[in-house]
Amino acid sequence: GAVVSQHPSRVICKSGTSVKIECRSLDFQATTMFWYRQFPKKSLMLMATSNEGSKATYEQGVEKDKFLINHASLTLSTLTVTSAHPEDSSFYICSARVYYGREGRINRANEQFFGPGTRLTVL
Amino acid sequence: GQNIDQPTEMTATEGAIVQINCTYQTSGFNGLFWYQQHAGEAPTFLSYNVLDGLEEKGRFSSFLSRSKGYSYLLLKELQMKDSASYLCAVNRDYKLSFGAGTTVTVRA
Repeated sequence: GAVVSQHPSRVICKSGTSVKIECRSLDFQATTMFWYRQFPKKSLMLMATSNEGSKATYEQGVEKDKFLINHASLTLSTLTVTSAHPEDSSFYICSARVYYGREGRINRANEQFFGPGTRLTVL
Repeated sequence: GQNIDQPTEMTATEGAIVQINCTYQTSGFNGLFWYQQHAGEAPTFLSYNVLDGLEEKGRFSSFLSRSKGYSYLLLKELQMKDSASYLCAVNRDYKLSFGAGTTVTVRA
């Protein structure tokens, strides 16, 4: 259980175009999803927190107008990179947090399950 | 991010033991995760510590000392497939802050 998928896995686009990346929780509902960016040999940097039915919360330094996030349902969040430029080339990874509503699962209540990532290359 | 420090690289031989240390700032702490990440892939969960002490899970163990802001991941009976990056991630306000990762290379 707790599988997260991302689509597409790889995308190459021209500078100035927009790219949409989908993140889906396949066998559970996720009220909260997270979007990360990872540059080569660097760690994951949180970009934004996506909450179902409300606006995303962006981390400091992340342009909300450039990275549009929509969390339309409990199983789908999308990240759109608008007017992409070569410096936006990166590995984008989403994660979904499982909600545990019962006692005895508290230790794992904050666990995030990661999607397989999307490699974006902007030419 | 947020002063989470771990060594950049470690090398060990097959069958050996390796310990990866992680130090962090303790403010707002709500648990610490260890993830394994192979190149070009997403991180996979290894362990989670929220209380002090040692959590053992097969060949992998993780230790936490909240007062010292310190954790380690212990990999025993190393296998070639364990060559990967190991990420320490601190949970604060239900968001994860990751260290830069430790690249472990296992040699025959």
